[in-house]
Amino acid sequence: DAGVTQSPTHLIKTRGQHVTLRCSPISGHKSVSWYQQVLGQGPQFIFQYYEKEERGRGNFPDRFSARQFPNYSSELNVNALLLGDSALYLCASSLRWGTDTQYFGPGTRLTVL
Amino acid sequence: DAKTTQPPSMDCAEGRAANLPCNHSTISGNEYVYWYRQIHSQGPQYIIHGLKNNETNEMASLIITEDRKSSTLILPHATLRDTAVYYCIVSNSGGSNYKLTFGKGTLLTVNP
Repeated sequence: DAGVTQSPTHLIKTRGQHVTLRCSPISGHKSVSWYQQVLGQGPQFIFQYYEKEERGRGNFPDRFSARQFPNYSSELNVNALLLGDSALYLCASSLRWGTDTQYFGPGTRLTVL
Repeated sequence: DAKTTQPPSMDCAEGRAANLPCNHSTISGNEYVYWYRQIHSQGPQYIIHGLKNNETNEMASLIITEDRKSSTLILPHATLRDTAVYYCIVSNSGGSNYKLTFGKGTLLTVNP
């Protein structure tokens, strides 16, 4: 079975631009979470979606937004990019909302110049 | 969220058991202990989780103390490919979101 997939794998943007990252969960999984990992740190929680509704939000500015589609795939959008947004963005899926095991994708490496 | 404490780094000889400790003294009764690992620049990989009983799967064993204040992840026969950062996480079992709160983890280096 295919695991969590993310696209693109790498992305280079300049300050002030907008970016959209995409995630497809494991087949049958209905919950998707997004994490940001800057160099040298552990992943930090951004959002969690279940059944197309936002169920959790981490301590990130409103420039960050996300949504989940009827097929349970998800997009993470970041507006007005800053240099500090350079990071590995990780998507994780789980079967249900709650303390189900989360399985991570390979991530999207975003570089903001 | 319950906080975890892990040593920043450990070394292990190839073929030997790697025992990675984790302290989680503020864990609540219904919170699980999860272990993930992350090989350089890849997404975290789920290893194992448990509530209060010891658990074993094809990757590792998890030993949780009776008072649940600490646990140990055991890789029975470490290989060079087990070199990674290992994260011990206590799940957030209450409230409205079920995020994983990652610390800095333990960098395990398996030496030939």
